[in-house]
Amino acid sequence: AQKVTQAQTEISVVEKEDVTLDCVYETRDTTYYLFWYKQPPSGELVFLIRRNSFDEQNEISGRYSWNFQKSTSSFNFTITASQVVDSAVYFCALSETAMNRDDKIIFGKGTRLHILP
Amino acid sequence: DTAVSQTPKYLVTQMGNDKSIKCEQNLGHDTMYWYKQDSKKFLKIMFSYNNKELIINETVPNRFSPKSPDKAHLNLHINSLELGDSAVYFCASSQDGLAYNEQFFGPGTRLTVL
Repeated sequence: AQKVTQAQTEISVVEKEDVTLDCVYETRDTTYYLFWYKQPPSGELVFLIRRNSFDEQNEISGRYSWNFQKSTSSFNFTITASQVVDSAVYFCALSETAMNRDDKIIFGKGTRLHILP
Repeated sequence: DTAVSQTPKYLVTQMGNDKSIKCEQNLGHDTMYWYKQDSKKFLKIMFSYNNKELIINETVPNRFSPKSPDKAHLNLHINSLELGDSAVYFCASSQDGLAYNEQFFGPGTRLTVL
């Protein structure tokens, strides 16, 4: 069965600090997809990134970077030089296979990130 | 040009009432979803429809009935509302039901049952 664990319930850092949000997943499939979504205080869910299980290259997008390591079943998210606008709840998610329309995305419980001015 | 829209944004009602939440997407996607987010922010899928056909039906009380009149709309009707139904309900859509596709979420409907 698939499972996503975000052990950090809440994190607070001072603006301009770097912060890493941890995500550990469990799956029996060899083909799977990992996602990160952001939920700012306004409430909507915003897609950030998707990574498939065959691509372990790290990804960087501006101040955001993602470190995917199959050996530790982790898909961690780092924000460099954090800003107050980064304050949000961040969800890591996992979906197995890509063959059926009944594939589900399983979300972790989220990490609430507070960036203090 | 809202991609996924939901109405209403807020819904306050008494226990025992019946209410509906509407969702529309203008992305041309085939698959739509309903999620429930509880007070602890836990996000769980309830239903998915692909081209008006029910695909995913999680263990949800049968007081909840989704209806998809066409592939751009997926409404959620809830009968005999209970206190535990209070949550934020999100509609989402994806290109098809395949799990590698990102899902686009609506703004959410905050339901409060008194």
